[in-house]
Amino acid sequence: GDSVTQMEGPVTLSEEAFLTINCTYTATGYPSLFWYVQYPGEGLQLLLKATKADDKGSNKGFEATYRKETTSFHLEKGSVQVSDSAVYFCALSKSGYNKLIFGAGTRLAVHP
Amino acid sequence: EAGVTQFPSHSVIEKGQTVTLRCDPISGHDNLYWYRRVMGKEIKFLLHFVKESKQDESGMPNNRFLAERTGGTYSTLKVQPAELEDSGVYFCASSQGAGAIDTQYFGPGTRLTVL
Repeated sequence: GDSVTQMEGPVTLSEEAFLTINCTYTATGYPSLFWYVQYPGEGLQLLLKATKADDKGSNKGFEATYRKETTSFHLEKGSVQVSDSAVYFCALSKSGYNKLIFGAGTRLAVHP
Repeated sequence: EAGVTQFPSHSVIEKGQTVTLRCDPISGHDNLYWYRRVMGKEIKFLLHFVKESKQDESGMPNNRFLAERTGGTYSTLKVQPAELEDSGVYFCASSQGAGAIDTQYFGPGTRLTVL
């Protein structure tokens, strides 16, 4: 069945470091891909999305490119801040199936 | 505009008891979803309402779980009787459309602990 695999956390970085969180997926057809973020004490928020191959989603300095050839949607940010500390979830959904399929989440901790 | 709200934020019950979780979606959103995250694992889909109708309940784990959405507004998820493995965080989400690209807006979740 369809699934999403994320790198295990926690990821610990110093402020202004470069961030990569790997995400790969297994799915038939052409899914849409998402990154959600959960800040402490809050619900999940959509961070960015991409709906077709080679699309790049971006928001708040984060980017991810939909790579169909490698079935990946890695999240990157050039310079993280303490306020980026959160749990990041990669997810997919497919036309006709409205549910989101999530990875296990990756906790990011950024220290000053 | 108010976001998705969930009540309670935390619930601690004993095995065999009943718990009811409530979700209020964003006003005007016909689509409402329930998800669950157990023990830090992936967030898993439970079911999807379109207005008051269950569109997809393929993720409901067993018949101890009952979801309703009376009048197509708020939704409740009842667990009866609760078991230890039901512990986790229950998330509700809503969306305006039901397409794969329609953004689902999530609530803060209800943390359920079954002792």
